[in-house]
Amino acid sequence: EPEVTQTPSHQVTQMGQEVILRCVPISNHLYFYWYRQILGQKVEFLVSFYNNEISEKSEIFDDQFSVERPDGSNFTLKIRSTKLEDSAMYFCASSEGGGDTQYFGPGTRLTVL
Amino acid sequence: EDQVTQSPEALRLQEGESSSLNCSYTVSGLRGLFWYRQDPGKGPEFLFTLYSAGEEKEKERLKATLTKKESFLHITAPKPEDSATYLCAVRPDSWGKLQFGAGTQVVVTP
Repeated sequence: EPEVTQTPSHQVTQMGQEVILRCVPISNHLYFYWYRQILGQKVEFLVSFYNNEISEKSEIFDDQFSVERPDGSNFTLKIRSTKLEDSAMYFCASSEGGGDTQYFGPGTRLTVL
Repeated sequence: EDQVTQSPEALRLQEGESSSLNCSYTVSGLRGLFWYRQDPGKGPEFLFTLYSAGEEKEKERLKATLTKKESFLHITAPKPEDSATYLCAVRPDSWGKLQFGAGTQVVVTP
């Protein structure tokens, strides 16, 4: 069964460093998303991406964040200068259409020291 | 403001003891209500999508229902492997973005 994959599973970084989280969406899906979940809190939407453009972003997704689809299979989230409060689980999701079910990856646990 | 509220926050069940979880929502429009299961340290695992009031979906011991203001996830004769956090999410009147509730943590003991 096709699934969304994410790497790495755990990333530890120093405050102020840049991190890139990687995702491989399900192959025939066209819409891609990033969400995050701070420990003990709700899953929060960050950004949606379609046709090589951001289609929607939340207030959390400020200038420190960027997304890219560098090739036909990967989808990345970059945080330019990490803060302590960026520590969270980051989930990638994909869907076939914009109105379809979103399937989530296993997540990357980001720890900022 | 769009809101998704799940209750109870936590539920402890004996194996075989059926129960229901509630998800109430206030959104400007609804383009789908989704139920996911989340195990500790893992990503949300898709269970059901409901689009219109009166709709029901069923899978093994789980059944999801939808009204105009809330959804229920019924767990019939649960087993210990049904222990997880169950998340409800709505897609408001725009394409894509999901808004999640805080979840209901279910523990089923033998």
